[in-house]
Amino acid sequence: EAQVTQNPRYLITVTGKKLTVTCSQNMNHEYMSWYRQDPGLGLRQIYYSMNVEVTDKGDVPEGYKVSRKEKRNFPLILESPSPNQTSLYFCASRGAAGETQYFGPGTRLLVL
Amino acid sequence: SQKIEQNSEALNIQEGKTATLTCNYTNYSPAYLQWYRQDPGRGPVFLLLIRENEKEKRKERLKVTFDTTLKQSLFHITASQPADSATYLCALDVSGGYNKPIFGAGTRLAVHP
Repeated sequence: EAQVTQNPRYLITVTGKKLTVTCSQNMNHEYMSWYRQDPGLGLRQIYYSMNVEVTDKGDVPEGYKVSRKEKRNFPLILESPSPNQTSLYFCASRGAAGETQYFGPGTRLLVL
Repeated sequence: SQKIEQNSEALNIQEGKTATLTCNYTNYSPAYLQWYRQDPGRGPVFLLLIRENEKEKRKERLKVTFDTTLKQSLFHITASQPADSATYLCALDVSGGYNKPIFGAGTRLAVHP
């Protein structure tokens, strides 16, 4: 079954404690993205990757890092989380620009 | 500035009626426009894609129109059912091959029996 998986699904942490949210896809897609979703603001892209070792900033990259060492994995790293990073995060993948995106189930993060 | 607007107010309709949702944009030249469905606490699920040179696309009870002159897309669900209740998102892909689709904030649809 084609899918995008994320872990963990729920996370409560404290300010400044580094965390990583993993993302994996089994569709051999080249494009992967991270989004955050906040009420009234819709989905905003944090970072995206067009292939292994190729990443670029989205609209709201501050405070986040990513890496793409393997085609299937695209982890999101928060080096020093702050309360304004409390949000619902989605990983997504697509085969090429313009094609449909497949979204993961989401990670709900609370930073105290 | 570039903007995508979807009606932020929930759309309430009676079962069996046609639901029409609107997506307006400014200052974009989209190559594609996509519609997604999102249920609470879940990731968006792709429904339909329409290209800039297409006026209309259909899939079962769903229909999407794309008017690049008006800078507007309409999303229709005919013979709506309570199971269609969800938030619907539109997303634009600008041309150039970049992986940066722009999403609207979504419109919540509630279909009442």
